[in-house]
Amino acid sequence: DAGVIQSPRHEVTEMGQEVTLRCKPISGHNSLFWYRQTMMRGLELLIYFNNNVPIDDSGMPEDRFSAKMPNASFSTLKIQPSEPRDSAVYFCASSLAGGSYEQYFGPGTRLTVT
Amino acid sequence: GESVGLHLPTLSVQEGDNSIINCAYSNSASDYFIWYKQESGKGPQFIIDIRSNMDKRQGQRVTVLLNKTVKHLSLQIAATQPGDSAVYFCAGSPGGYQKVTFGIGTKLQVIP
Repeated sequence: DAGVIQSPRHEVTEMGQEVTLRCKPISGHNSLFWYRQTMMRGLELLIYFNNNVPIDDSGMPEDRFSAKMPNASFSTLKIQPSEPRDSAVYFCASSLAGGSYEQYFGPGTRLTVT
Repeated sequence: GESVGLHLPTLSVQEGDNSIINCAYSNSASDYFIWYKQESGKGPQFIIDIRSNMDKRQGQRVTVLLNKTVKHLSLQIAATQPGDSAVYFCAGSPGGYQKVTFGIGTKLQVIP
């Protein structure tokens, strides 16, 4: 298995632009998580899905952030409009609900907003 | 102004020695506790988990101890190797849909 796939790996954009981060979970996993990691705040859970349904989005910082999971093999995290304080590494992770608590993380997308 | 970031606690260990990484938690509702390892430039990687009804669990070269009385969790790594150098996160989950809350992490430096 290729593991969790995220794209792009690096994104540099200007303030005000729309940013879309993509994630392909491991085949067969039914839970998907979006995290943000910064030096200031550490690793924060933004939102998680179970069977493509958003279960808890209380970690989404504000309305500029939105996430979708149209099917079991694809999810997006969108920021519109982006701001410099959104600069961070964004991780997607997937797991098999009902099993252990082993979440498989992707390599992350490093976002820089100038 | 001056930027402030998280100051990760750092543990320096000689290669071959045992490492003990500690974690305190506050949420008594956590039913599962998990340890993750994050190497530089990579995503976190699951190491081991333990359910709240257990006080010890062993894996390959790692042991997790849970003391619910004092809300303390530790990860012991036997015969620490250079490849163990990373940031280690403890995390907790109340169960159900597996929402996991991560701690700030501890940086382990292995001295060759």
